[in-house]
Amino acid sequence: GAGVSQTPSNKVTEKGKYVELRCDPISGHTALYWYRQSLGQGPEFLIYFQGTGAADDSGLPNDRFFAVRPEGSVSTLKIQRTERGDSAVYLCASSQGPNNYGYTFGSGTRLTVV
Amino acid sequence: GDSVTQMEGPVTLSEEAFLTINCTYTATGYPSLFWYVQYPGEGLQLLLKATKADDKGSNKGFEATYRKETTSFHLEKGSVQVSDSAVYFCALDTGRRALTFGSGTRLQVQP
Repeated sequence: GAGVSQTPSNKVTEKGKYVELRCDPISGHTALYWYRQSLGQGPEFLIYFQGTGAADDSGLPNDRFFAVRPEGSVSTLKIQRTERGDSAVYLCASSQGPNNYGYTFGSGTRLTVV
Repeated sequence: GDSVTQMEGPVTLSEEAFLTINCTYTATGYPSLFWYVQYPGEGLQLLLKATKADDKGSNKGFEATYRKETTSFHLEKGSVQVSDSAVYFCALDTGRRALTFGSGTRLQVQP
């Protein structure tokens, strides 16, 4: 597609529920990144995919968070047993390759856990 | 660990004023440095970058110089416009391909 698409744009869920956030990167971009941005803060790195594999998942805060990219294109960030502290904007970015700094960010999914 | 410190906002300026947003960093090795901008209702966009010491990144009238001796990458523009109103983020990458961002500085330009 023309840009990085994230769906849904907004998600409200109850504490303890499971959520999935989707990222559709720019066609042909092999690198994909997830970040989390809390209110008034800069984005924090969560996980980086090169192709289908997670090249760096050191930013995932705990084992409730998991991400997949089974075909090397669309990625899904999965959060189990959501907590109020998970409320944030989840950003996805893609780039042509690991040595390309031309990251393109999506507009994000605003997750609110009530 | 790696970190980026930006001046707190909001920064409020009149149109055509000179802008400086300070950014300092702590990192192992020699990071690449970036400024990203987030306009209201839009996603983050790369504004400029510098990949080695003494490099100057520039775009849309904005400039920043990679100063290794002071571990700084201050953003400057000689004459701001109302359309420059946005949140500006300084960021670094030490080669992990994961960006470390500052907390952002909101710029408000008044006509």
